[in-house]
Formats: sequence, C-alpha cells, structure tokens
Amino acid sequence: GAGVSQTPSNKVTEKGKYVELRCDPISGHTALYWYRQSLGQGLEFLIYFQGNSAPDKSGLPSDRFSAERTGGSVSTLTIQRTQQEDSAVYLCASSLIALGSGANVLTFGAGSRLTVL
Amino acid sequence: KQEVTQIPAALSVPEGENLVLNCSFTDSAIYNLQWFRQDPGKGLTSLLLIQSSQREQTSGRLNASLDKSSGRSTLYIAASQPGDSATYLCAVPARDDYKLSFGAGTTVTVRA
Repeated sequence: GAGVSQTPSNKVTEKGKYVELRCDPISGHTALYWYRQSLGQGLEFLIYFQGNSAPDKSGLPSDRFSAERTGGSVSTLTIQRTQQEDSAVYLCASSLIALGSGANVLTFGAGSRLTVL
Repeated sequence: KQEVTQIPAALSVPEGENLVLNCSFTDSAIYNLQWFRQDPGKGLTSLLLIQSSQREQTSGRLNASLDKSSGRSTLYIAASQPGDSATYLCAVPARDDYKLSFGAGTTVTVRA
C-alpha cells in the first residue's frame, strides 16, 4: 500500500477483555515496529520485527501483550485481560531496513487509540 | 539507556516568527537523529534525518543541526505559518541501533 495502515483507528473496551490491533506495513518493508504513546508521554518501544529474524520483544510491558508478524508482512498486536493503564495510542511503523544501518527512515501509521474503561 | 529531552514542552508564536526547538540526548554514540512531526490524532511524519557524520540537514524552511559531542540537536523552522502548528519529536536509536528513543515532544502553536 501507499502507507502504513492500522486498524481499528479507535477501540473502546472494558477491563479484562481481549484486544487485537492490526498493522499493514508498506509493501516490501522488512522492518516493522510497534510503539505505544500514552497521554502526555513520549513514545515507548514495544516490539521489533526484521525479516525472518526472531523479534525483539523486550519492550512489551507484560505477558498480557504479544505480537505476531505473518509472512513478513501484516502484524497483529494482542492484549489479553486489558487494564486501564493499557489505554494509549498504539503506533506501528515500518522501514526498508533496520535503522542504524543507514539513512532509512520510519514511516508511521495513524495509530490505534485504545481506551479501556 | 538513551534518554531524550525536548525543551520547551510547548511554544506559541505569531505567524512569521522563526522557531527554535531543542533536543538533547544522553548517549552520544548514535548513528543518526530524526525529527518527526505529529498532528493531533495522526501518526508521525518524518521531517529530517541527520546522519552522525553530518552537522546539519535542510529541507525547505526546516533546518536541523546536530552536535553529537554535546548530545544536542536543534530544529529551526523559518518564517513560521499556522500550518506548522503540531507536535515535533526528536528520536535517536539506542546502542542496539533499531529501537528509537523519543523525546516527549514540543507542541508548537503558530498564531495567525
């Protein structure tokens, strides 16, 4: 696609429910990142996928969070037993190659705003 | 751990004035630094990326400088316009080079 697509754009759920957020990166981008942006806070790294390598899950805040990337393309971030502190905007980004190895820039999606009541 | 700080947190200027946004980082061993723009309810748009070997990068009315040794970058926006109103974030990779550490951003309002 022309850009990074994220669905849903908004999700309101009740505490304890399961949530699934989807990211469709730019075609051909091998690197995919998930970040979280809480109100008034900076962006917090969650997870990184690069090609067929094992993902870096070191930023996931708890074992209630998990993410998959199927076929090196679409990624899904799932949150089980949601808590109010999970409320945030979840941003997905993709790039051609991993940053740091060159001048490649990240392209971000518009984000999925999650509200846990 | 890389810590990124942006000052000021918010800035309001009349149209036409030049903007100066500051970003500082604690670990100077960086590959590059990026400046992003975020409009309300939207994702981030990359504005400029400065490689560690560069001192500055320019795009139109935007100019970003980088001083690695002092851990600072400055984004200059010349002749500001109301359309420049947004939150501007700087980001640097961590030592393992792909996790970007972001500042909290500077929210800019340009008054017509």
